[in-house]
Amino acid sequence: EAGVAQSPRYKIIEKRQSVAFWCNPISGHATLYWYQQILGQGPKLLIQFQNNGVVDDSQLPKDRFSAERLKGVDSTLKIQPAKLEDSAVYLCASSFQRGPTDTQYFGPGTRLTVL
Amino acid sequence: GDSVTQMEGPVTLSEEAFLTINCTYTATGYPSLFWYVQYPGEGLQLLLKATKADDKGSNKGFEATYRKETTSFHLEKGSVQVSDSAVYFCALSDQTGANNLFFGTGTRLTVIP
Repeated sequence: EAGVAQSPRYKIIEKRQSVAFWCNPISGHATLYWYQQILGQGPKLLIQFQNNGVVDDSQLPKDRFSAERLKGVDSTLKIQPAKLEDSAVYLCASSFQRGPTDTQYFGPGTRLTVL
Repeated sequence: GDSVTQMEGPVTLSEEAFLTINCTYTATGYPSLFWYVQYPGEGLQLLLKATKADDKGSNKGFEATYRKETTSFHLEKGSVQVSDSAVYFCALSDQTGANNLFFGTGTRLTVIP
């Protein structure tokens, strides 16, 4: 079974530029999550989708971050414009459903460096 | 709000030593508890989980018991190997139905031969 795919793996941009990350979840998984992991910290949830609808985006900085999952499969996370403090690893995860015992499976992440 | 406090590292052990990584949590209700592991150059992987009080999760020789009375979920392994070198994250899943994970800060384990 293929895992969660993410691209690119690495990205370096200047501050105030825009960047987009892509995620393809495990086939059949209805729930998709984006996390931000700053160096030395644990991952922090940014947004959760159930199929193509947003379940929780309370931690998403909506003035600069946006995310979509138009057909309920792939998802894109965008940052526009980027700030220095956005340097982090962006993790995508998926689960079959969103029950408390449903395991979240993580992709390899995209490491973003903002200069 | 929900949170996880994890033993700070880094932790360095000799091969075959006993490992304990402490984890305590704060949550309303009865969260599910998890240990995730991140091997060098790889993504986060679920190591083990427990969904109710007194449950013991186990995998690859690692164990953790959900202790409601002490709000703890300490990770243990009787004899570590060099291949166990990784960063270990304790996490809880809230009970709002959203299944959001709250992670600790991670503990880096290095096992030396």
